[in-house]
Amino acid sequence: AQSVTQPDIHITVSEGASLELRCNYSYGATPYLFWYVQSPGQGLQLLLKYFSGDTLVQGIKGFEAEFKRSQSSFNLRKPSVHWSDAAEYFCAVGLSLMEYGNKLVFGAGTILRVKS
Amino acid sequence: DTGVSQNPRHKITKRGQNVTFRCDPISEHNRLYWYRQTLGQGPEFLTYFQNEAQLEKSRLLSDRFSAERPKGSFSTLEIQRTEQGDSAMYLCATLAGTDTQYFGPGTRLTVL
Repeated sequence: AQSVTQPDIHITVSEGASLELRCNYSYGATPYLFWYVQSPGQGLQLLLKYFSGDTLVQGIKGFEAEFKRSQSSFNLRKPSVHWSDAAEYFCAVGLSLMEYGNKLVFGAGTILRVKS
Repeated sequence: DTGVSQNPRHKITKRGQNVTFRCDPISEHNRLYWYRQTLGQGPEFLTYFQNEAQLEKSRLLSDRFSAERPKGSFSTLEIQRTEQGDSAMYLCATLAGTDTQYFGPGTRLTVL
């Protein structure tokens, strides 16, 4: 079955430090991969996505992610974290249209806390 | 703001009451999804529509849940005889083609 694992439930980093959030997926076909961010009580905002091509993708707010097929991973990175980045981050895999109607399977999320 | 709106944003109800949520999608998006998100978890798929046709329902969607999308525009999600376990955030997302799903702000349901 399709699944997404985010091994870190909480991460705390100092403002200005670098960040890496881990994501591993299980899906038999070529995945569409997404990172979304959610502030408390809000909906999900798309940070970036990978469909094909260059395995390093750039997103909004200075985030980037790298797709590694051999490791079934899609880790999110940011070189310098800002206090406003504190939120919950979700990795998701988009399933195929024909079989699964493009629905998304999400990980459980990683809560990012930023220390000043 | 993604262009997807949901109403109400918050709903508090007593166990056993019926509730209805509404989602207004981005106008050109033909596919609409509902997800449920409980505390500490990622969103889980409930159902989706292509235009007005409901194409799939998750096993999470019990008989007390019904969703509609008349005329392929807005969608409603109704929960009958609510239970405390229904307390969650209900998220709507819309999509054009096979690209990105854009999410609304969600409806937070609390069942007392």
